Amino acid sequence: GENVEQHPSTLSVQEGDSAVIKCTYSDSASNYFPWYKQELGKRPQLIIDIRSNVGEKKDQRIAVTLNKTAKHFSLHITETQPEDSAVYFCAASSQAGTALIFGKGTTLSVSS
Amino acid sequence: NAGVTQTPKFQVLKTGQSMTLQCAQDMNHEYMSWYRQDPGMGLRLIHYSVGAGITDQGEVPNGYNVSRSTTEDFPLRLLSAAPSQTSVYFCACRGQVGYTFGSGTRLTVV
Repeated sequence: GENVEQHPSTLSVQEGDSAVIKCTYSDSASNYFPWYKQELGKRPQLIIDIRSNVGEKKDQRIAVTLNKTAKHFSLHITETQPEDSAVYFCAASSQAGTALIFGKGTTLSVSS
Repeated sequence: NAGVTQTPKFQVLKTGQSMTLQCAQDMNHEYMSWYRQDPGMGLRLIHYSVGAGITDQGEVPNGYNVSRSTTEDFPLRLLSAAPSQTSVYFCACRGQVGYTFGSGTRLTVV
């Protein structure tokens, strides 16, 4: 089945810096790659996603890139703010998009 | 439109007890999943369903049962709770804009 690896597990940046989180996946049939943000005690919330027919997608300060050949995708957050501090999870769809397989998460801390 | 509703929010069980975690959605979506979240382990898929009457195992199915008799409901059953099942459980539903999660159930097995 699908396996998703996520790095780094923790990331500390200064306010205004950029943050990059990287994920790799194993199943070449996966075609949907979402990113979720989870604040302490809350449910995961979808922040951006990308499908396999697209190489890059941006939404204001957030962007995701996908390299299908290498089977990796990345989340880029620019001009980080303290409210970006949270745990971020990448995921990949398995078995025709029936369920998501998640990475283990990255704890992002943005200090002002 | 409540989205995905999970009950209860908190539960304490004794080892060996059984219980059912409830998940309901009012969006008429076919795909639903159960995840458990443990520190440092991310979200691990327990079981999933692609429609009424159809379920399948995920990454960590042992100790859990599911059924899907209606599109709206996807309950998760623990037949004989063990301390290793102490976790936060999330139900998720795939809609037009990705997967939406319920608010979670924090389960402690003592």
